[in-house]
Amino acid sequence: EVQLLESGGGLVQPGGSLRLSCAASGFTFSSYAMTWVRQAPGKGLEWVSSIGESGATTYYADSVKGRFTISRDNSKNTLYLQLNSLRAEDTALYYCTKLVESYSGHWGQGTRVTVSS
Amino acid sequence: QPVLTQSSSASASLGSSVRLTCTLSSGFHTYIIAWHQQQPGKAPRYLMKLENSGRYNKGSGIPDRFSGLTSGPDRYLTISNLQSEDEADYYCETWDSNTRVFGGGTRLTVL
Repeated sequence: EVQLLESGGGLVQPGGSLRLSCAASGFTFSSYAMTWVRQAPGKGLEWVSSIGESGATTYYADSVKGRFTISRDNSKNTLYLQLNSLRAEDTALYYCTKLVESYSGHWGQGTRVTVSS
Repeated sequence: QPVLTQSSSASASLGSSVRLTCTLSSGFHTYIIAWHQQQPGKAPRYLMKLENSGRYNKGSGIPDRFSGLTSGPDRYLTISNLQSEDEADYYCETWDSNTRVFGGGTRLTVL
């Protein structure tokens, strides 16, 4: 059974940093591209970033480009998202997803990030 | 990049059928989309992939009551024999080279 378990969220001040993790199990992690998707309180889903199977290719939404960095460690079956220069509008529940034929085929339960002073 | 348009809300009675629509923007009418369901307080769940041909491929454990249909730029999710647990937000998703996009979501109320 595919399992994606996010962690690392929390309360941080504007301008601060966090690193989110997504521990994957139940599939061959190194064979799948992965993404981060976020959902602000009471709002819809917003794609944040994607990474290829090897980690060599990465993509970002314009809203986070230059501030967030996606990475992965295939030896640890873990996906990461480094969040820097955080803003109030980054407050959201952050989900990791496993891409299956280019769509989000599996979702984690999410980790909450709150940016507030 | 593509834009996905969804109605903000829909409602239907218990035991009836409902069709939700996701419309692809001009120039992207042949794109594949995916439908996801988000029940209140829960993470999204993948429902199905829906191709321009109308062929769809559902996720594991998705009931037969859920089906997909395509007409031009419109991608439909049909739910028959509505159950109370179908009350949820429904999102469509598509992708294009370096980006992916979600529709704004449709909140389905089961009366």
